Amino acid sequence: DVKVTQSSRYLVKRTGEKVFLECVQDMDHENMFWYRQDPGLGLRLIYFSYDVKMKEKGDIPEGYSVSREKKERFSLILESASTNQTSMYLCASSSSRVAGVTDTQYFGPGTRLTVL
Amino acid sequence: AQSVTQPDIHITVSEGASLELRCNYSYGATPYLFWYVQSPGQGLQLLLKYFSGDTLVQGIKGFEAEFKRSQSSFNLRKPSVHWSDAAEYFCAVGAYDGNEKLTFGTGTRLTIIP
Repeated sequence: DVKVTQSSRYLVKRTGEKVFLECVQDMDHENMFWYRQDPGLGLRLIYFSYDVKMKEKGDIPEGYSVSREKKERFSLILESASTNQTSMYLCASSSSRVAGVTDTQYFGPGTRLTVL
Repeated sequence: AQSVTQPDIHITVSEGASLELRCNYSYGATPYLFWYVQSPGQGLQLLLKYFSGDTLVQGIKGFEAEFKRSQSSFNLRKPSVHWSDAAEYFCAVGAYDGNEKLTFGTGTRLTIIP
């Protein structure tokens, strides 16, 4: 089974702090994704990556950056946390497109971040 | 760009009753369609997916979904729900347009009453 792990289930930070959220997958997937989940808004894509050292902006990248130095690890960085970044953060991974088909995304358990 | 609408924010059904969760999508070609479930405090788990072929798709936990192109819908069904089905359900659409992104609906929360 695919396993996607996230470094913390719960995290509390103060406004202005730099925050790192880590995600690791064990299935040699090329694609990795970061979403935030808010009530009534569903999942919104922050950033994604097709390969090591590659990144693409999603729908809501403002205030976030990412790092992918190794294939299995994808980090989300909040350079200066703000209260409006309090949310559930979900990481996902998928294998590369085969014959033009978008593959299933597999999700980690999520990190609930509170910024005070 | 693709979009997904889940018109029901919250649904309550009795244990043993049938269930249908609605999903409508917007996309210019044949989409890839997914249903995910999120149990409390958990990540998302894939229930089923439609890429092509038979429009009635069987998934895990006794769920099925039917792709109806004429109605731009991909509704999720289960003939008899169990208390353990209480969760949030998300419909998602992918595209053939050269990226790996999925667009998710806002979710439907399912409550099961005895």
